[in-house]
This record gives sequence, structure tokens and C-alpha cells, in this order.
Amino acid sequence: AQSVTQLGSHVSVSEGALVLLRCNYSSSVPPYLFWYVQYPNQGLQLLLKYTSAATLVKGINGFEAEFKKSETSFHLTKPSAHMRDAAEYFCAVSDYGGSQGNLIFGKGTKLSVKP
Amino acid sequence: DTGVSQDPRHKITKRGQNVTFRCDPISEHNRLYWYRQTLGQGPEFLTYFQNEAQLEKSRLLSDRFSAERPKGSFSTLEIQRTEQGDSAMYLCASSPWEGFTEAFFGQGTRLTVV
Repeated sequence: AQSVTQLGSHVSVSEGALVLLRCNYSSSVPPYLFWYVQYPNQGLQLLLKYTSAATLVKGINGFEAEFKKSETSFHLTKPSAHMRDAAEYFCAVSDYGGSQGNLIFGKGTKLSVKP
Repeated sequence: DTGVSQDPRHKITKRGQNVTFRCDPISEHNRLYWYRQTLGQGPEFLTYFQNEAQLEKSRLLSDRFSAERPKGSFSTLEIQRTEQGDSAMYLCASSPWEGFTEAFFGQGTRLTVV
């Protein structure tokens, strides 16, 4: 069965500092992996996705993530945090190897950015 | 097209009442998904449709939950005899499905059962 673990329910960084949000996955088939962002009282917006092409994936708003099979990880990074990055971030893995298209989400990491 | 649309955005209901939520997917998308998100948790998959066919419903939380997608366009999610534990955000998503791609989410319907 597929699952996702996000380490740290809350991460706080200063504006301009590196953002690192951790995600480890478990999958019995080659995974498709995703990072979504959610602003308060909003739906989810896709930041980036890994679908077995390049292991370093670039997304929107300056975010990127690296797929590391040996570590079963897909951590999200951004070199320099901005105040507008404050939101909740969800890592997700495709269920059934993508055949159904539904996702299994982690519990989320709330990112705070201090001025 | 402005994306996935959900209605209403907020719903307050008394325990025991029935509620129905509507989702309008992106028009060319033939896959539609429903998720539930409770406070402090990630979204939890409930059910999905390929056009009008409901292909997975074993994850619906109880027999009080049902979903339809007549004519393969909009979808409705109904909760009968609501309970306080049903209070959550209900999210709808759609995807085009030529091969697996990401899902596009609506803004959700927040249900409060009092």
C-alpha cells in the first residue's frame, strides 16, 4: 500500500532563508509524487510533480523537489523564502500506481515565514 | 474555463439533516474525485468517477455518503443524517486522464454540523 510521511507539522523560517519541507513515501510500485500548497480556506494548488522522468523537478514559485529512490524521499526546497510562501504544504503519492488517479496525502506541513 | 467550481463554499446544518454539495469540473476533464479534509489532516480520498461511471466507492465513509455524476458532467455528494463528525472540508478535483496527470482541485465546501 502507498503512504506518505511528512516530517514536521510546522516549519518556521525567516524571509530569505532556505525552505526545506521533508517527505518520505512508501510505494509498492514506481511512484508518482506530488507537492500541493493550500492557503487558508482554499483548495489545493499543484506546485510540482514527479512522474518518473527527471529526478530533480522544478515547480512554480521557485520551488523544486528531488526524487531519491534510495532514501524513498521527495523533499521540497526553495532557496529563499518569501512572506507569500506562508501556507500549508502537502506531499502526495498516487494510489494504485496511478491507475485510478487518486492521491494519498501526508498530514501536511504548515510553513511560517518571519519578516 | 475558470477551473473546478464547488457550491456552496460553506454549509452549516443541524445534526440529522441531509446535505448535498455540487462540483463542476473543468469541462474537458473526464475524471472527477471527491476528498474529505478534516482539521490538521491531509485530504482523504472518498470516491471517483470516469465520465458518469463511479469506479471506486469503497472508500466512502459510510452508507450515509453517496455521490452521483449524471451525464458525466457535474457531480453531487450527499450526506444523509449528518453527524457532528461529518464536519470537514469536502474537496472536489478533476483530471483529464490521458495517462496519469495531476488533479485540479476546487476551493472546497466547508461543512459544519451543529
